[in-house]
Amino acid sequence: EIVLTQSPDTLSLSPGERATLSCRASQSVSGNYLAWYKQKPGQAPRLLIYRASSRATGIPDRVSGSGSGTDFTLTINRLEPEDFAVYYCQQYGSPWRFGQGTKVEIK
Amino acid sequence: QVQLVESGGGVVQPGRSLRLSCAAYGFTFRSSLMHWVRQAPGKGLEWITVISGDGNSIHYADSVKGRFTISRDNSRNILNLQMNSLRAEDTALYFCARDPNLEGFDVWGRGTMVTVSS
Repeated sequence: EIVLTQSPDTLSLSPGERATLSCRASQSVSGNYLAWYKQKPGQAPRLLIYRASSRATGIPDRVSGSGSGTDFTLTINRLEPEDFAVYYCQQYGSPWRFGQGTKVEIK
Repeated sequence: QVQLVESGGGVVQPGRSLRLSCAAYGFTFRSSLMHWVRQAPGKGLEWITVISGDGNSIHYADSVKGRFTISRDNSRNILNLQMNSLRAEDTALYFCARDPNLEGFDVWGRGTMVTVSS
């Protein structure tokens, strides 16, 4: 059973700074089927990145994903107010698993 | 407009049953895998089940296997989740989500809340 571990649990940053979020899998993620989601309070998650590095529709290019195998990174440049949220990584395509989440909060 | 709308949540006693539905709009429903994902209050996301477009392939998380049943009606564009033998730990916001083709879950509903309590 693959376990996804996200770090850090909380990231305290100021608007304009860069956020770097990590997602580590206990086994290699087949096909790099790794996605990232953003969730704001009271809202459904929103897909940001799929296949480790492909941006979903409408996602700005200051949001990027990278990595392969067991180590993946979500980078958000020039943080804007709407970026402060909880971010989840997900392995998909059988099995399906989410990481525990990283909260990006305003410093 | 592509949209998913969940319904059927509520308060139910432990051991009882509840049936959730998810209505799909604005896309070819039968072409997409569909999932249910839940989120306990203040907690993270938990994937619980998936069904293929034709309904012939189904998988469950261990936490709900044997108690929950996913199904779909492609003639009415409806996804269902039958939840039996409910437990307190099933208390959560239940989302349905579309999985178009190994490109992540690109459309989510707003969720329906299930509270299991005596």
